[in-house]
This record gives sequence, C-alpha cells and structure tokens, in this order.
Amino acid sequence: AQKITQTQPGMFVQEKEAVTLDCTYDTSDQSYGLFWYKQPSSGEMIFLIYQGSYDEQNATEGRYSLNFQKARKSTNLVISASQLGDSAMYFCAPRGRYNFNKFYFGSGTKLNVKP
Amino acid sequence: AAGVIQSPRHLIKEKRETATLKCYPIPRHDTVYWYQQGPGQDPQFLISFYEKMQSDKGSIPDRFSAQQFSDYHSELNMSSLELGDSALYFCASSPRRDLAGNTIYFGEGSWLTVV
Repeated sequence: AQKITQTQPGMFVQEKEAVTLDCTYDTSDQSYGLFWYKQPSSGEMIFLIYQGSYDEQNATEGRYSLNFQKARKSTNLVISASQLGDSAMYFCAPRGRYNFNKFYFGSGTKLNVKP
Repeated sequence: AAGVIQSPRHLIKEKRETATLKCYPIPRHDTVYWYQQGPGQDPQFLISFYEKMQSDKGSIPDRFSAQQFSDYHSELNMSSLELGDSALYFCASSPRRDLAGNTIYFGEGSWLTVV
C-alpha cells in the first residue's frame, strides 16, 4: 500500500489567520494527482483541491492553496484567513495515473479554528 | 449535478446479522472505491472496482464481499456482523483515465451501527 504521512494529528489556528497542513507520500507512479479532502464533524468527505504532478503552478482554489514539492514528495495545504467553519479533519490522498485503483488516505489532521 | 448516492444512510443491525450497502456512482464513472471509517479513525480502504472487476483490495474482512454490477452500481455485503463493524462506510467514484481533481467524489456515507 502507498504510504501517506500527515505528521500533525491536531492543530489550532486563530480565526482569520493562515494555517499550513503537511502531507508526505510515497508513490511509484511518475504521473499522479494529489487530492485534499475536508471532513467536518457531520461526516461527509468534501473535495477541496487537487495538484497534478506535472502541473507547473501550485494549485489554488479560493482560500486553499498547495505548496507542492515534487522532489520531496510533499504537499502542504495552506488555508488562508481561517474561518470557524474550517474546523474539521483534513486528509490528503495521492492517486497514480496507472495505479488509479489505489486511493488511500493519510491519517488526517484535525484542525480547530479558535474565535 | 448528480452525485454519488449511497443507501441506506443509516442502518442498525444486530450481531451476527447481514447488511448490504449500495453505491450508485456518478454517471460515466467506471471506478468505485469503498472505505470504512470507525469512530475517530481515518478512512480505511476496503476494495475498489474498475469496469465491474475488482481492481484492488485493502483491509476488507473475509466476512465482507463486494461487487460492481453492469450498471456500475456497487454493493458491499457484510455478514456475521460484529460490534467492531460499526462505522461510517463511504463509497467514491471516478472515471479511470481522468486525473483532473474534480472527478473523485464521495457519497455521504452509510452509518452502520451493530448492536
């Protein structure tokens, strides 16, 4: 199985501040995508942002952006201007072009946004 | 837009009973993934299907089986239920070849409680 490491089991951030969540992964595919999902306490898994391994630019989507370091097999999710509704679990998951059937999650980071 | 449909949303079963969960992927999605998420745990990959064939197998107990049908919907069958099977079961779908980040979506999950 792929190894995905999210080293921050829990993080706190003050409302309106930015926060960075880390993820490192191990994939044998040369071409792959990196996905981030948010899971609030209600349980649903919400897609946030995606980075392709050959994308030249770091992905951005509203308040979410990725800092992709391909050589290190690392991707950091940056949430700017944190909101109370950002309190949730955050999971990263790589998906290879040829090993597309393997889609595993890291252990997640629980983010708490403080008012 | 159509999303991944899971049914039932909530299910209560007794120990040693059998349960069946259903997943209807987004139209034109040919790959289905199943996950189990216990209380306070990260999602554990169970099994995936591509074009109605099993394509990858994770930590799925022998008491569980799954299949994908000709209309691409999938069913997860769980027999001899144990208390530890109580969890949120997710289904996700995607088209195989498209690595674009907006093409792996999750259903809302099925909550299984074994009493």
